[in-house]
Amino acid sequence: DAGITQSPRHKVTETGTPVTLRCHQTENHRYMYWYRQDPGHGLRLIHYSYGVKDTDKGEVSDGYSVSRSKTEDFLLTLESATSSQTSVYFCASGPYNQPQHFGDGTRLSIL
Amino acid sequence: AQKVTQAQTEISVVEKEDVTLDCVYETRDTTYYLFWYKQPPSGELVFLIRRNSFDEQNEISGRYSWNFQKSTSSFNFTITASQVVDSAVYFCALSSFQGAQKLVFGQGTRLTINP
Repeated sequence: DAGITQSPRHKVTETGTPVTLRCHQTENHRYMYWYRQDPGHGLRLIHYSYGVKDTDKGEVSDGYSVSRSKTEDFLLTLESATSSQTSVYFCASGPYNQPQHFGDGTRLSIL
Repeated sequence: AQKVTQAQTEISVVEKEDVTLDCVYETRDTTYYLFWYKQPPSGELVFLIRRNSFDEQNEISGRYSWNFQKSTSSFNFTITASQVVDSAVYFCALSSFQGAQKLVFGQGTRLTINP
């Protein structure tokens, strides 16, 4: 399996605070992705990256920003967290034209 | 726009029964990929299979088999002789063929195998 590590694995925070989730991969994959998983919705793409400093929006990008300053790291930031962003967040990475593999997820609760 | 529908929210069967998970998709792309992922109770997502749209051959891997029918926009997944370890949520997904494989997921089917 691809070496993908998400941190933190669990986080509880308050509405209005900034939150950053980190995804680290050791496979030198070009593509990285952030998804959120909510009941009844499956997983939905938030943002993705196709190279260092190259990112683009996914289906549910409002309220989120991302950065990729190194191949191995892809950060997801909630500038001002809201209760609707309570979710399980999954990072994934994959090489060109190959299936992506997922990290173990981050459970984020916003009170 | 792309869309994946898994109409079966939950399925419960007794061990050793065969079970089929349905997946129907919509896309305007002429070439695309279809996927199945497994999410066991521990929560991680496990890649099972990827098929491209121009290869309609059915695939078998042990007790798992996949039936891709472009005419009905379906990509169904069958588990033969189910086992308790097959209990999980199963997701069907779709992506474009070129560039980043931005996955569009179905809502998932929760499969429970009872001993």
